Amino acid sequence: DIQMTQSPSSMSVSLGDTVTITCRASQDVGIYVNWFQQKPGKSPRRMIYRATNLADGVPSRFSGSRSGSDYSLTISSLESEDVADYHCLQYDEYPHTFGAGTKLELK
Amino acid sequence: EVQLVESGGGLVQPGRSLKLSCAASGFTFSNYYMAWVRQAPKKGLEWVATISTSGSRTYYPDSVKGRFTISRDNAKSSLYLQMNSLKSEDTATYYCARDNSDYWGQGVMVTVSS
Repeated sequence: DIQMTQSPSSMSVSLGDTVTITCRASQDVGIYVNWFQQKPGKSPRRMIYRATNLADGVPSRFSGSRSGSDYSLTISSLESEDVADYHCLQYDEYPHTFGAGTKLELK
Repeated sequence: EVQLVESGGGLVQPGRSLKLSCAASGFTFSNYYMAWVRQAPKKGLEWVATISTSGSRTYYPDSVKGRFTISRDNAKSSLYLQMNSLKSEDTATYYCARDNSDYWGQGVMVTVSS
């Protein structure tokens, strides 16, 4: 199975920060990585699809990038509504696998 | 508006069975691969199953293979997850989602405990 190693597991952030979360795939998954935001008690919301594409309705301060087997989600000028958990997912092959998640907390 | 509404969760004893349902609306259900994803309390997301548009192909991780069965009824725009031989580690919120993960249901809680 493909492992998605997500880092950091948690991050203490301030409003206005630029935040980057990374997932490293254990083997080639091409562009087939999505990023999700999840707030407490809510369903995940897709933020980025196919590694770099912004999902409908997602603010432009969110972006996705890829460098080799490393996939990153960047949030520029963090706003309070962005404080949440974030998850990556590879769907290049079955079984689909998620990263372990990153929890953003305000300082 | 796309809607996915799960039902069928609850408390079940270890070794017993439970069947989850997901009612879909707002899109042509038969055109989409569909999936179940779960999240144990305070844990990350785990993909559980995917089914092709016709239902002829299904995919599972080893953690549920042989115990869980995903199925669909395109005439009813409904997705199902039959869960057998349940274990305590299957305790989680189960989400129904389109397999491209653009839409998710609100989730349904399954608790496996004696």
